[in-house]
Amino acid sequence: DAKTTQPPSMDCAEGRAANLPCNHSTISGNEYVYWYRQIHSQGPQYIIHGLKNNETNEMASLIITEDRKSSTLILPHATLRDTAVYYCIVMANNAGNMLTFGGGTRLMVKP
Amino acid sequence: DTGVSQDPRHKITKRGQNVTFRCDPISEHNRLYWYRQTLGQGPEFLTYFQNEAQLEKSRLLSDRFSAERPKGSFSTLEIQRTEQGDSAMYLCASEIFRTSYNEQFFGLGTRLTVL
Repeated sequence: DAKTTQPPSMDCAEGRAANLPCNHSTISGNEYVYWYRQIHSQGPQYIIHGLKNNETNEMASLIITEDRKSSTLILPHATLRDTAVYYCIVMANNAGNMLTFGGGTRLMVKP
Repeated sequence: DTGVSQDPRHKITKRGQNVTFRCDPISEHNRLYWYRQTLGQGPEFLTYFQNEAQLEKSRLLSDRFSAERPKGSFSTLEIQRTEQGDSAMYLCASEIFRTSYNEQFFGLGTRLTVL
């Protein structure tokens, strides 16, 4: 699987948009971009995924650059409950499907 | 509550003892994964099952570790002759396997402390 690079930490004001970047410059054509998050004392939670088109669901939006070498997860109106570690994972949907977590970005949403 | 339950939530043991953890996945999920997470790090894959078949094991899974999923439902992870380096959070996840989409549901984990 391709390696991802994320900033180790970010702050965001409550109610503002949180934009979390991820670089995946060696991504292959059949690999998807997945985002999971882990709130303190919980297991990771799926947020969203995409291949090359931008995606939106009830939790977040995912913007993937045209060359697919980077992406941004957007939480449109961050709340205190969004404070968590966010993991960007690049993975082909194949026989394994095991998740390879990097260090992630620790997002702190502040009042 | 994701529907994946793990037991116990916490386990303290002495070095050299054996421990066993249990994971109950969401009932219709055919895939079950085990991960290990140490403080400040992301989870690391250990092994996974499709139904009752164990399909892959990480190199992290030494011969002191064994996992089973006897009837394709719950799973157990056993660590024999525990070492202090085994201290970690052990996470279980389950999913319905699809080739187009991956969404794993994680339990709250079992925190193991080896004294």
